[in-house]
Order: sequence, then structure tokens, then C-alpha cells
Amino acid sequence: AQTVTQSQPEMSVQEAETVTLSCTYDTSENNYYLFWYKQPPSRQMILVIRQEAYKQQNATENRFSVNFQKAAKSFSLKISDSQLGDTAMYFCAFMKPQGTGNTPLVFGKGTRLSVIA
Amino acid sequence: NAGVTQTPKFQVLKTGQSMTLQCAQDMNHEYMSWYRQDPGMGLRLIHYSVGAGITDQGEVPNGYNVSRSTTEDFPLRLLSAAPSQTSVYFCATQRGSYNEQFFGPGTRLTVL
Repeated sequence: AQTVTQSQPEMSVQEAETVTLSCTYDTSENNYYLFWYKQPPSRQMILVIRQEAYKQQNATENRFSVNFQKAAKSFSLKISDSQLGDTAMYFCAFMKPQGTGNTPLVFGKGTRLSVIA
Repeated sequence: NAGVTQTPKFQVLKTGQSMTLQCAQDMNHEYMSWYRQDPGMGLRLIHYSVGAGITDQGEVPNGYNVSRSTTEDFPLRLLSAAPSQTSVYFCATQRGSYNEQFFGPGTRLTVL
């Protein structure tokens, strides 16, 4: 079974600074997908970024980027130019691709990020 | 498009009561899932469905029933509520080829 570990329960960062959230996972699969979801106080789950394991290039979405290290089974999220609106819980998640006995997402326990003015 | 809708948004039950959490989607997605979110635990999968008429258990299925008679709806039933089922419940959908899940707004359930 796949597991996802987020070792930082809480983090804080000054506005406009850069912060990195860590995520490691355990799987015997070679092909899979990784995601970062954001959950602000509104409770809504919002997809931040996704990475396909077969792609070597790290995914980037505006101020959000990942450092995907497949051999190390590591998938960290970097937030640049942090903004107050980035304050939220962040969840790392793993998914096997379709047609491989697909089961939905496996989540880490989350990292609570506070952006300080 | 409404996306994924969940009703109710909040609910308080007494131990032993039954209820159904509703989830509906208008995106014609094949996959639908139910998760529960507890403090410090992340989201854990309760049940999921890969299409109408097909359901399967997730990590924490005990105490919950599901059925999927249509593509649009995936209700979650609590037959006899227990305080351990106090949680926030999320429904999610997924279109097969995209491997991305879309979440509803959640239902906060308290069992006294």
C-alpha cells in the first residue's frame, strides 16, 4: 500500500519570502501521479500543482513549483513570493494511474502554513 | 455548471441516528469518492465508485454504506451514527483520463 508522509505539521514564512514544504512517499509503482492540494480556512480543497512520475521536468504553476526526486521518493513544494492568501493547510497526495487497479488519492497528514505580514 | 455539490453543509446527530450525506455532480465524471477529514489525520478514503453500479471500500469503510445508481449521485449513508464519526466529509469526482480529483465543499458532521 502506498503511504505519504509530511514531516512538518506546521510552518511559517514572512510575506514575500520563499518556503518549501516536504513530502515523501512510499510505493512500488513506477508510474503514478503526485499532487499538492491547498485547503484554506474556507475548507475547500484546491489543487495547487500536479506531477506525472514519468516526466523528469519539475512542474511549475506561477509561484508554485515542485522538486520531484523519483529515486528518493520525494516531492517537495516551493512557494515563492509568499502571500497572505497562501495561509492554508497543504496536503501532498499520491494516485496510481487509470487501469492499474486505480484507487483514489492517498493523502499525507498535512502541513499548516502561516504567512506572516 | 455547479461542479460537485454536497448537502447538508452542517449536521448534528445523536448517537444511533441514521442519515444520508448527499453528493451530486454535473460533470459526467466516472469516478466518485468519499473521504473523511479528522484533525491531524489528513483525508482518508471511505468508499469510492468507478461508475454507476460499482462501488468499493477504501481505508475506513466501517459504519458507512454507499450505492451508485446514477453517474450523477453518490450518497453516503450512516446507519447508526457514533461519536467516532464526527468529522468533515468530502465528496470528490474524477474524470478518468485526467487523474485529477475535484472536491465538493464538505459536510461537517457532529455526533453527540
